[in-house]
Amino acid sequence: NFMLTQPHSVSGSPGKTVTISCTCSSGSIASNYVQWYQQRPGSAPTTVIYEDNKRPSGVPDRFSGSIDSSSNSASLTISGLKTEDEADYFCQSYDTNTYWLFGGGTKLTVL
Amino acid sequence: EVLLVESGGGLVKPGGSLRLSCAASGFTFSDYTMTWVRQAPGKGLEWVSSVSSGGGYTFYAESMKGRFTISRDNAKNSLFLQLHSLRAEDTAVYYCARIGEVTFDYWGQGTLVTVSS
Repeated sequence: NFMLTQPHSVSGSPGKTVTISCTCSSGSIASNYVQWYQQRPGSAPTTVIYEDNKRPSGVPDRFSGSIDSSSNSASLTISGLKTEDEADYFCQSYDTNTYWLFGGGTKLTVL
Repeated sequence: EVLLVESGGGLVKPGGSLRLSCAASGFTFSDYTMTWVRQAPGKGLEWVSSVSSGGGYTFYAESMKGRFTISRDNAKNSLFLQLHSLRAEDTAVYYCARIGEVTFDYWGQGTLVTVSS
């Protein structure tokens, strides 16, 4: 079964850099685009990365995405951490059998 | 401005039914695939169902197939999700979202469905 696995939580200090991974259980991570969504408490998700590494307008360049075929995973990197980055982050991709799929989500704490 | 406004959530008994609606504005509704995503309390996002721009193709998550029905009315810029045979584990906030080329690019604020006796 196609699954996307994320760490339950990550943390970092203001100004530092954190990376959230999203590992694909079967098939190639590079077969379909990966998106990343940020969800603050009580709010709907918003896109921070689409098509593996593109930023929607309005998303600061502190947010970047990448794909690593060797580990079959995608990563979201947030540099220059700010307290406002504290949120849940979800990766999402597509599979021809299961269609759209989300990772389990990662809670980012900015200490 | 793109707006998606869900309605129709509420408290329903196990085995009951509910119809969710999503009113869209600010874009050409008939040009886009639309989707429902749900989020159980304290849990992650779960894709539920999607419908193609013309309504001719529908897609469901395996666990919802046969119990949920997605539909749309392009003349009224509206998306619907009919929920049947509801279970406690269907309790969640249900979001309506637009699918851009690859991403869920706009989301509503969600409507809460609570399944409880």
